[in-house]
Amino acid sequence: DTAVSQTPKYLVTQMGNDKSIKCEQNLGHDTMYWYKQDSKKFLKIMFSYNNKELIINETVPNRFSPKSPDKAHLNLLINSLELGDSAVYFCASSLLQGSHSPLHFGNGTRLTVT
Amino acid sequence: DQQVKQNSPSLSVQEGRISILNCDYTNSMFDYFLWYKKYPAEGPTFLISISSIKDKNEDGRFTVFLNKSAKHLSLHIVPSQPGDSAVYFCAASSNAGGTSYGKLTFGQGTILTVHP
Repeated sequence: DTAVSQTPKYLVTQMGNDKSIKCEQNLGHDTMYWYKQDSKKFLKIMFSYNNKELIINETVPNRFSPKSPDKAHLNLLINSLELGDSAVYFCASSLLQGSHSPLHFGNGTRLTVT
Repeated sequence: DQQVKQNSPSLSVQEGRISILNCDYTNSMFDYFLWYKKYPAEGPTFLISISSIKDKNEDGRFTVFLNKSAKHLSLHIVPSQPGDSAVYFCAASSNAGGTSYGKLTFGQGTILTVHP
């Protein structure tokens, strides 16, 4: 009965590859997010979607492509992976966007690019 | 340009005592503040929040204080328990229009260790 689940938990890949991370929420929330936790431990927003519509795109390189087939899913495709992409990526959801609804996070995907 | 800062990377307290975690922000447009707790290998979980129209919000052992003039907030945990040992993140948001709408800006976290 996991609320926000993301797969895989760990992802090790080589530079130049393309990989995707999947996220699903069963909370019935309207808004989903991708956050990146960098080496300095800051959590920074990458994207947010509200009912499959892109709301926030935080100056993320074009190599990162979010895809929301429905409001319960938000996947992240990363093309031409670089060493600097190594980080922990968190998916999250909230009931409403902009109403100060608390975020519910998944357990993260640790991406290591070698 | 870190708009939310937690200047103490770690804090160690004895069980039963008070834990005080601090957070500073620079963006005067922030009008809502939250604290999240994170255990290893898990995602952050929401703990408590406060609107900028208040200066205090309490939920059981957890109290958040907001000092708008100082752009400072703090989380008090009384009494502290070993199960409170985790990373605590401060976050802020603004309901202003534009691209900041609904976006959370996080601090870098403070590792709290509560010793039995």
